[in-house]
Amino acid sequence: SQQGEEDPQALSIQEGENATMNCSYKTSINNLQWYRQNSGRGLVHLILIRSNEREKHSGRLRVTLDTSKKSSSLLITASRAADTASYFCATPYYGNNRLAFGKGNQVVVIP
Amino acid sequence: GAGVSQTPSNKVTEKGKYVELRCDPISGHTALYWYRQSLGQGPEFLIYFQGTGAADDSGLPNDRFFAVRPEGSVSTLKIQRTERGDSAVYLCASSLSGLAGANTGELFFGEGSRLTVL
Repeated sequence: SQQGEEDPQALSIQEGENATMNCSYKTSINNLQWYRQNSGRGLVHLILIRSNEREKHSGRLRVTLDTSKKSSSLLITASRAADTASYFCATPYYGNNRLAFGKGNQVVVIP
Repeated sequence: GAGVSQTPSNKVTEKGKYVELRCDPISGHTALYWYRQSLGQGPEFLIYFQGTGAADDSGLPNDRFFAVRPEGSVSTLKIQRTERGDSAVYLCASSLSGLAGANTGELFFGEGSRLTVL
Protein backbone atom coordinates (compact mmCIF):
# COMPACT_ATOMS: atom_id res chain seq x y z
CA SER A 1 0.00 0.00 0.00
CA GLN A 2 1.13 3.55 -0.58
CA GLN A 3 2.32 5.61 2.35
CA GLY A 4 2.29 9.05 0.85
CA GLU A 5 -0.54 10.94 -0.73
CA GLU A 6 0.15 14.04 -2.75
CA ASP A 7 -2.23 16.96 -3.04
CA PRO A 8 -3.15 18.48 -5.48
CA GLN A 9 -2.92 15.67 -7.98
CA ALA A 10 -2.57 17.86 -11.06
CA LEU A 11 -1.31 21.38 -11.48
CA SER A 12 -1.01 23.59 -14.54
CA ILE A 13 0.90 26.86 -14.25
CA GLN A 14 2.57 29.50 -16.38
CA GLU A 15 6.32 29.60 -16.72
CA GLY A 16 7.81 31.78 -14.02
CA GLU A 17 5.10 31.03 -11.47
CA ASN A 18 5.66 28.97 -8.34
CA ALA A 19 4.30 25.45 -7.96
CA THR A 20 3.40 24.02 -4.58
CA MET A 21 2.38 20.47 -3.85
CA ASN A 22 1.74 18.65 -0.61
CA CYS A 23 2.21 15.15 0.69
CA SER A 24 0.82 13.42 3.75
CA TYR A 25 2.01 10.21 5.33
CA LYS A 26 0.75 7.88 8.02
CA THR A 27 3.53 6.55 10.21
CA SER A 28 6.59 7.93 11.95
CA ILE A 29 9.50 8.42 9.59
CA ASN A 30 13.23 9.04 9.63
CA ASN A 31 13.19 11.02 6.43
CA LEU A 32 10.99 12.00 3.51
CA GLN A 33 12.15 12.16 -0.08
CA TRP A 34 10.85 13.81 -3.22
CA TYR A 35 11.37 12.39 -6.69
CA ARG A 36 10.62 13.68 -10.17
CA GLN A 37 9.57 11.57 -13.13
CA ASN A 38 9.49 12.88 -16.66
CA SER A 39 7.04 11.18 -18.98
CA GLY A 40 8.19 7.70 -19.91
CA ARG A 41 11.34 7.92 -17.81
CA GLY A 42 12.60 6.65 -14.48
CA LEU A 43 12.41 8.56 -11.22
CA VAL A 44 15.07 11.05 -10.25
CA HIS A 45 15.81 11.91 -6.64
CA LEU A 46 15.35 15.61 -5.86
CA ILE A 47 15.76 16.12 -2.17
CA LEU A 48 15.75 14.31 1.17
CA ILE A 49 14.62 15.96 4.38
CA ARG A 50 15.30 14.37 7.73
CA SER A 51 12.71 14.08 10.46
CA ASN A 52 14.58 16.61 12.62
CA GLU A 53 14.60 19.20 9.84
CA ARG A 54 11.74 21.58 9.14
CA GLU A 55 12.86 23.12 5.90
CA LYS A 56 15.44 22.42 3.24
CA HIS A 57 16.46 24.16 0.04
CA SER A 58 18.08 22.90 -3.12
CA GLY A 59 18.34 25.35 -5.97
CA ARG A 60 14.78 26.38 -6.88
CA LEU A 61 13.31 23.69 -4.63
CA ARG A 62 12.08 24.26 -1.11
CA VAL A 63 10.81 21.39 0.99
CA THR A 64 9.11 21.65 4.35
CA LEU A 65 8.32 18.90 6.80
CA ASP A 66 5.78 19.00 9.63
CA THR A 67 6.08 15.78 11.59
CA SER A 68 3.25 16.76 13.93
CA LYS A 69 0.88 16.90 10.98
CA LYS A 70 2.67 14.14 9.08
CA SER A 71 2.89 16.30 6.02
CA SER A 72 5.43 17.79 3.65
CA SER A 73 5.34 20.36 0.89
CA LEU A 74 7.46 20.87 -2.19
CA LEU A 75 7.75 24.33 -3.67
CA ILE A 76 9.29 24.94 -7.07
CA THR A 77 10.04 28.61 -7.57
CA ALA A 78 10.24 30.41 -10.91
CA SER A 79 9.06 27.33 -12.78
CA ARG A 80 10.36 26.43 -16.22
CA ALA A 81 8.89 24.34 -19.01
CA ALA A 82 11.49 21.70 -18.18
CA ASP A 83 9.90 21.29 -14.74
CA THR A 84 6.92 19.62 -16.41
CA ALA A 85 6.85 16.20 -14.79
CA SER A 86 5.23 14.08 -12.11
CA TYR A 87 6.47 14.60 -8.58
CA PHE A 88 6.33 11.89 -5.92
CA CYS A 89 6.96 11.94 -2.23
CA ALA A 90 8.33 8.78 -0.63
CA THR A 91 8.82 7.66 2.94
CA PRO A 92 10.63 4.72 4.53
CA TYR A 93 8.29 1.83 5.24
CA TYR A 94 8.47 -1.51 7.05
CA GLY A 95 11.69 -1.28 8.98
CA ASN A 96 13.16 1.36 6.70
CA ASN A 97 14.25 -1.15 4.08
CA ARG A 98 12.17 0.35 1.31
CA LEU A 99 10.44 3.51 0.21
CA ALA A 100 6.69 3.78 -0.16
CA PHE A 101 5.62 6.24 -2.86
CA GLY A 102 2.53 8.36 -3.16
CA LYS A 103 0.37 8.52 -6.25
CA GLY A 104 2.20 11.52 -7.67
CA ASN A 105 1.44 15.07 -8.60
CA GLN A 106 1.47 15.96 -12.29
CA VAL A 107 2.79 19.44 -12.97
CA VAL A 108 2.52 21.10 -16.37
CA VAL A 109 4.44 24.33 -16.90
CA ILE A 110 3.15 26.29 -19.86
CA PRO A 111 5.83 28.29 -21.72
CA GLY B 1 27.83 1.90 -16.40
CA ALA B 2 27.13 5.21 -14.81
CA GLY B 3 23.49 4.54 -14.03
CA VAL B 4 21.01 1.74 -13.52
CA SER B 5 20.41 -0.11 -16.75
CA GLN B 6 17.25 -2.07 -17.51
CA THR B 7 16.53 -4.36 -20.44
CA PRO B 8 14.42 -4.71 -22.40
CA SER B 9 12.95 -1.23 -22.46
CA ASN B 10 9.79 -2.61 -24.00
CA LYS B 11 8.39 -6.12 -23.98
CA VAL B 12 5.16 -7.25 -25.60
CA THR B 13 4.07 -10.77 -24.85
CA GLU B 14 1.01 -12.95 -24.98
CA LYS B 15 -1.03 -14.06 -22.03
CA GLY B 16 0.42 -17.17 -20.48
CA LYS B 17 4.00 -16.61 -21.63
CA TYR B 18 7.12 -16.37 -19.47
CA VAL B 19 9.02 -13.09 -19.20
CA GLU B 20 12.39 -12.05 -17.81
CA LEU B 21 13.35 -8.47 -17.06
CA ARG B 22 16.94 -7.59 -16.31
CA CYS B 23 18.46 -4.90 -14.10
CA ASP B 24 22.10 -3.88 -13.95
CA PRO B 25 22.57 -1.61 -10.90
CA ILE B 26 25.18 1.03 -10.24
CA SER B 27 28.50 -0.60 -9.48
CA GLY B 28 29.09 -0.93 -5.75
CA HIS B 29 25.46 -0.53 -4.75
CA THR B 30 24.58 -3.38 -2.44
CA ALA B 31 20.85 -2.77 -2.34
CA LEU B 32 18.55 -3.39 -5.28
CA TYR B 33 14.83 -2.81 -5.52
CA TRP B 34 12.11 -3.76 -7.96
CA TYR B 35 9.00 -1.63 -8.24
CA ARG B 36 5.98 -1.83 -10.52
CA GLN B 37 4.23 1.27 -11.78
CA SER B 38 0.81 1.32 -13.41
CA LEU B 39 -0.38 4.26 -15.47
CA GLY B 40 -1.11 7.29 -13.33
CA GLN B 41 0.08 5.64 -10.14
CA GLY B 42 3.17 5.78 -8.00
CA PRO B 43 5.71 2.97 -7.92
CA GLU B 44 4.59 -0.07 -5.96
CA PHE B 45 7.25 -2.04 -4.08
CA LEU B 46 7.86 -5.63 -5.18
CA ILE B 47 11.13 -6.90 -3.72
CA TYR B 48 14.35 -5.71 -2.10
CA PHE B 49 17.77 -7.36 -2.25
CA GLN B 50 20.68 -6.72 0.07
CA GLY B 51 23.60 -8.40 -1.66
CA THR B 52 22.54 -11.74 -3.08
CA GLY B 53 19.62 -12.38 -0.78
CA ALA B 54 16.05 -11.18 -1.01
CA ALA B 55 15.72 -9.27 2.24
CA ASP B 56 12.08 -8.42 1.65
CA ASP B 57 9.90 -10.03 -1.01
CA SER B 58 6.59 -9.19 0.60
CA GLY B 59 5.56 -6.98 -2.30
CA LEU B 60 5.51 -9.74 -4.89
CA PRO B 61 1.83 -10.11 -5.81
CA ASN B 62 1.79 -13.90 -6.14
CA ASP B 63 3.96 -16.93 -6.80
CA ARG B 64 4.12 -16.21 -10.54
CA PHE B 65 6.64 -13.50 -9.72
CA PHE B 66 10.19 -14.34 -8.74
CA ALA B 67 13.47 -12.41 -8.70
CA VAL B 68 17.09 -13.41 -8.33
CA ARG B 69 20.41 -11.68 -7.84
CA PRO B 70 22.89 -14.57 -7.84
CA GLU B 71 26.14 -12.60 -7.69
CA GLY B 72 24.95 -9.55 -5.84
CA SER B 73 24.95 -7.34 -8.90
CA VAL B 74 22.63 -7.99 -11.85
CA SER B 75 19.08 -8.96 -10.99
CA THR B 76 16.40 -10.67 -13.04
CA LEU B 77 12.69 -10.38 -12.40
CA LYS B 78 10.84 -13.41 -13.71
CA ILE B 79 7.13 -13.58 -14.39
CA GLN B 80 5.50 -16.88 -15.21
CA ARG B 81 2.15 -17.40 -16.96
CA THR B 82 1.75 -13.70 -17.59
CA GLU B 83 -1.68 -12.14 -17.27
CA ARG B 84 -3.05 -8.94 -18.78
CA GLY B 85 -3.05 -7.40 -15.32
CA ASP B 86 0.73 -7.73 -15.20
CA SER B 87 1.02 -4.99 -17.83
CA ALA B 88 2.94 -2.13 -16.25
CA VAL B 89 6.31 -0.46 -16.15
CA TYR B 90 8.75 -2.42 -14.01
CA LEU B 91 11.30 -0.16 -12.38
CA CYS B 92 14.58 -1.19 -10.86
CA ALA B 93 16.50 0.96 -8.41
CA SER B 94 19.73 0.60 -6.52
CA SER B 95 21.05 2.21 -3.41
CA LEU B 96 24.43 2.46 -1.77
CA SER B 97 23.31 1.40 1.67
CA GLY B 98 19.87 -0.02 1.21
CA LEU B 99 18.61 1.64 4.33
CA ALA B 100 15.80 3.87 3.24
CA GLY B 101 15.63 5.31 6.71
CA ALA B 102 19.24 6.44 6.64
CA ASN B 103 20.17 9.90 5.58
CA THR B 104 21.79 8.52 2.45
CA GLY B 105 18.86 6.33 1.49
CA GLU B 106 18.44 7.85 -1.96
CA LEU B 107 17.34 5.42 -4.66
CA PHE B 108 18.73 5.57 -8.19
CA PHE B 109 16.23 4.38 -10.74
CA GLY B 110 16.58 2.88 -14.17
CA GLU B 111 14.38 3.92 -17.08
CA GLY B 112 12.11 0.94 -16.58
CA SER B 113 10.89 -1.98 -18.65
CA ARG B 114 7.44 -1.51 -20.09
CA LEU B 115 5.62 -4.83 -20.16
CA THR B 116 2.49 -5.28 -22.23
CA VAL B 117 0.59 -8.54 -22.00
CA LEU B 118 -1.87 -9.05 -24.83
